[in-house]
Amino acid sequence: EVQLVESGGGLVQPGGSLRLSCAASGFPFSRDSMNWVRQAPGKGLEWLSYISSSSTIIYYADSVKGRFTISRDNAQNSLYLQMNSLRAEDTALYYCVREDDWTYQDAFDIWGQGTMVTVSS
Amino acid sequence: SYELTQPPSVSVSPGQTARIACSGDPLPDQYAYWYQQKPGQAPILVIYKDSERPSGIPERFSGSSSGTTVTLTISGVQAEDEADYYCQAVDNSGSYVFGTGTKVTVL
Repeated sequence: EVQLVESGGGLVQPGGSLRLSCAASGFPFSRDSMNWVRQAPGKGLEWLSYISSSSTIIYYADSVKGRFTISRDNAQNSLYLQMNSLRAEDTALYYCVREDDWTYQDAFDIWGQGTMVTVSS
Repeated sequence: SYELTQPPSVSVSPGQTARIACSGDPLPDQYAYWYQQKPGQAPILVIYKDSERPSGIPERFSGSSSGTTVTLTISGVQAEDEADYYCQAVDNSGSYVFGTGTKVTVL
């Protein structure tokens, strides 16, 4: 079964750090680009970051540039998001998302169920 | 970065046609994608490359593009189609943008 499972969310104080993980299974993880997308409570989707299959190309949204770092370990079929200097406005459900470069022309075709991050004192 | 604008809501009776527009300056030069999100669930891909339908998505979902606007059309709307819908595109710098989202209500 094709699956993405996020973990690492929780409650953190403003200014704190958190590392999210995403475990991939059921597809050739090392072949595919990956992304992080978040959704604040009751709000829309916000793309955060992209990483190519070999980690050679990385992009960030302006809202997280300089604070968040995306990485991956293809040997472990895992994607990560290191989040530093967290703010209240970073409170959201964080999704790990596969980008299909082969069949669906860069579409976000596989989504995890998300991990909740709450930034509050 | 740029914005993709969608109407906040669309209401439609069962069996009728729902059309959701998404407008943004880069759309003539970039493919658009559409996602459906039901309450408490992760989004799912319903249209890619402006008008292509992934396997498993019903034929009543279709997409089109004209200039700076792309449109998701749901023909013969069913109660199960009630959800939030988001368009998405990428700009030349590699950043992705989601539309503001449209809540489809089936009356």
